[in-house]
Amino acid sequence: GAVVSQHPSRVICKSGTSVKIECRSLDFQATTMFWYRQFPKKSLMLMATSNEGSKATYEQGVEKDKFLINHASLTLSTLTVTSAHPEDSSFYICSARDGQREFNEQFFGPGTRLTVL
Amino acid sequence: DAKTTQPTSMDCAEGRAANLPCNHSTISGNEYVYWYRQIHSQGPQYIIHGLKNNETNEMASLIITEDRKSSTLILPHATLRDTAVYYCIADTGGFKTIFGAGTRLFVKA
Repeated sequence: GAVVSQHPSRVICKSGTSVKIECRSLDFQATTMFWYRQFPKKSLMLMATSNEGSKATYEQGVEKDKFLINHASLTLSTLTVTSAHPEDSSFYICSARDGQREFNEQFFGPGTRLTVL
Repeated sequence: DAKTTQPTSMDCAEGRAANLPCNHSTISGNEYVYWYRQIHSQGPQYIIHGLKNNETNEMASLIITEDRKSSTLILPHATLRDTAVYYCIADTGGFKTIFGAGTRLFVKA
């Protein structure tokens, strides 16, 4: 149980295009989902937290108009990188918390590697 | 959330126990100690968590000192597949989780 999927696993796009990344909780309802980005040899950096049906809360320094997050249902959150540029190239990882569990461990997706040319 | 301090890297021989320490001297009473690991180019994986008592599951054991200011994650029989970055996090399980730099564990044959 507690499986989180991400799609796509890898994407290469041209500068100026928008890219959508999906994060799904496959066997539980994710009351809260998180989006992280990770640069090579660095730790995960939290970008934003989203709760189903409400606006995402962005961390300081993360542009909400650049990184659009939609948590439309209890099993799906999407991150759209708008007008992507080479500096947006990174490893994007989502995670989810199961609101039915007694404890609040996070379950992570496998990540999406974005390369902007 | 309390700040945690971990060694940057550690080595372990295959088949031996890997003991990964974590200091969390400012941990508050309602913060749990969570451990995650991240194998190269994959998403992190939850390992174990605890509050006061030592915990064991199929992956690892967690030893928390009585004053809760430090803990040790134990992988009883490390394999090459346990090579990863291990993150120790003190977390109330509330709004968000902040990852530190973690410990890069190298398991050597």
